[in-house]
Amino acid sequence: EAAVTQSPRNKVTVTGGNVTLSCRQTNSHNYMYWYRQDTGHGLRLIHYSYGAGNLQIGDVPDGYKATRTTQEDFFLLLELASPSQTSLYFCASSDSGGLDTQYFGPGTRLLVL
Amino acid sequence: QQQVRQSPQSLTVWEGETAILNCSYENSAFDYFPWYQQFPGEGPALLIAIRSVSDKKEDGRFTIFFNKREKKLSLHITDSQPGDSATYFCAASSNYGNEKITFGAGTKLTIKP
Repeated sequence: EAAVTQSPRNKVTVTGGNVTLSCRQTNSHNYMYWYRQDTGHGLRLIHYSYGAGNLQIGDVPDGYKATRTTQEDFFLLLELASPSQTSLYFCASSDSGGLDTQYFGPGTRLLVL
Repeated sequence: QQQVRQSPQSLTVWEGETAILNCSYENSAFDYFPWYQQFPGEGPALLIAIRSVSDKKEDGRFTIFFNKREKKLSLHITDSQPGDSATYFCAASSNYGNEKITFGAGTKLTIKP
């Protein structure tokens, strides 16, 4: 089974702060995704990538940047964090995209004060 | 615009009863429908999935019923157990633009012993 890890697991920052969330997958999957989970909205796609150096815009990209540095590593960047970005963030990977199983990490809980 | 809708938001059933979780979608191009199960403090994990060429998919106590004409599907959990208490997400993706998946808002299921 694919292993997806995220760090940190919890993060507190202030409005305007700079935050980087990290994700690593160890099964050499092609696709990696960043979601945010909020009550009443389910999982919403922020950004995704189909390989190192590639980035695709998701459904709620405003205020977020992302970078896929290697096949294994995908980072989510909040350069000027706002309270509206307080959320639970999940990273996921899959081998062949939307028609394949997505394997999720344990999540990062972010609080922006 | 929520392309995948779930109802109810929350559901409580007694142990041993059948829980029925509903899902509907708008995009006629959707043809793959996975259900993900999420326990508190964890990331979602694939539970069961169906493709639009089928009208039923069974896996133990979990069954998906699919109605393509009405764009509706449901997840039936028979002989519900307290360990089934979780949030269930219906999701959908398409053969066209198949890199990503769209999630519903989720149904929180509680099984009372």
